[in-house]
Amino acid sequence: DGGITQSPKYLFRKEGQNVTLSCEQNLNHDAMYWYRQDPGQGLRLIYYSQIVNDFQKGDIAEGYSVSREKKESFPLTVTSAQKNPTAFYLCASRSPPGATEAFFGQGTRLTVV
Amino acid sequence: AQSVTQLDSQVPVFEEAPVELRCNYSSSVSVYLFWYVQYPNQGLQLLLKYLSGSTLVKGINGFEAEFNKSQTSFHLRKPSVHISDTAEYFCAVSARYGQNFVFGPGTRLSVLP
Repeated sequence: DGGITQSPKYLFRKEGQNVTLSCEQNLNHDAMYWYRQDPGQGLRLIYYSQIVNDFQKGDIAEGYSVSREKKESFPLTVTSAQKNPTAFYLCASRSPPGATEAFFGQGTRLTVV
Repeated sequence: AQSVTQLDSQVPVFEEAPVELRCNYSSSVSVYLFWYVQYPNQGLQLLLKYLSGSTLVKGINGFEAEFNKSQTSFHLRKPSVHISDTAEYFCAVSARYGQNFVFGPGTRLSVLP
């Protein structure tokens, strides 16, 4: 089945540690996105990538980093510079841009302990 | 740039009653419109989308939405809700030639027995 797989589903991090969230898609989509979801704030765009080896900052990129070495994969690293990383993180993909919907993974809930 | 407003953060409704979830948007260019549903601790699932043509769009699970260009609205409706419709609903817009989505803050629909 085609889709987007995010792992892990739950992740716990100690303060000061970097963690990497995985996002893999087999939909052959060009564009991939990372969103952060906090209660009552909807989805906020962290980073997006339209093609391999290229990505752009979204609205809340500070404290995060990404890479796009393969079309299928778009991992997100939450660095120690992110002051409040506890949130639900969603990965999405679409192709082509414009007249298509985004397909979402099941999300990763990150908790800082 | 686009923006999306969902005026109701929470909507309680009794089972088998009708419901309308409101969405208004602003944009200086033509847009595509989407409604997504999110169940607890899951990703977003597409309910329906408006790309062009008929302004009344039918989606999954008995939902429908009407695009009103003059009022810049895209309200979601269901004539008779079920307990299983309890979830969070997000309205989103994407510029016709744009790369990203803009999501509203979400409306939490609670269906009461």
